[in-house]
Amino acid sequence: ILNVEQSPQSLHVQEGDSTNFTCSFPSSNFYALHWYRWETAKSPEALFVMTLNGDEKKKGRISATLNTKEGYSYLYIKGSQPEDSATYLCAAKNFGNEKLTFGTGTRLTIIP
Amino acid sequence: DAGVTQSPTHLIKTRGQQVTLRCSPKSGHDTVSWYQQALGQGPQFIFQYYEEEERQRGNFPDRFSGHQFPNYSSELNVNALLLGDSALYLCASSLASFGNEKLFFGSGTQLSVL
Repeated sequence: ILNVEQSPQSLHVQEGDSTNFTCSFPSSNFYALHWYRWETAKSPEALFVMTLNGDEKKKGRISATLNTKEGYSYLYIKGSQPEDSATYLCAAKNFGNEKLTFGTGTRLTIIP
Repeated sequence: DAGVTQSPTHLIKTRGQQVTLRCSPKSGHDTVSWYQQALGQGPQFIFQYYEEEERQRGNFPDRFSGHQFPNYSSELNVNALLLGDSALYLCASSLASFGNEKLFFGSGTQLSVL
């Protein structure tokens, strides 16, 4: 059973501050790690799909790293803005498996 | 370019009834996955359809069934509804490839079972 955990569950950050949160997953049989941003009343939107150990991806002020040997990924947001308020979901996939297993998400609130 | 569309957006049913939820994938996508999100949980994989066949199934009872049509749209059917089936049902589409394609989600159908 693939168990994906995210921490913290929720986070309040002052506008302009930087922040990061964690996704952990079993390292055995790993295939891919996804990050999604889910704003209230909208659909989840893909941020990154990462497969290689040591991979780093960036999209504007948001970046992510991946460590497949120890089974974790970090998502970083630099200079938080109110529009960054959302739930951030990570999901992992194993080899030979079409199923994406999601964590319960980190709910980020940016305080103006 | 239309994204993933789901219908209806909200639905209220009573225990024991049956429900059908619908999903149209993003243009050009051939794979549809269904997820259930209960309160306080992450989305849970129900099943995935590709080429009109169920390719993989999550840990859901047989009361949950689906279908994919030749135009790649999909339906999720739930029979004998239970109170615990109340949840947001998300449809996601992707391109069948090596399996690391990102998912495009619809905005979901909120099902309430009374």
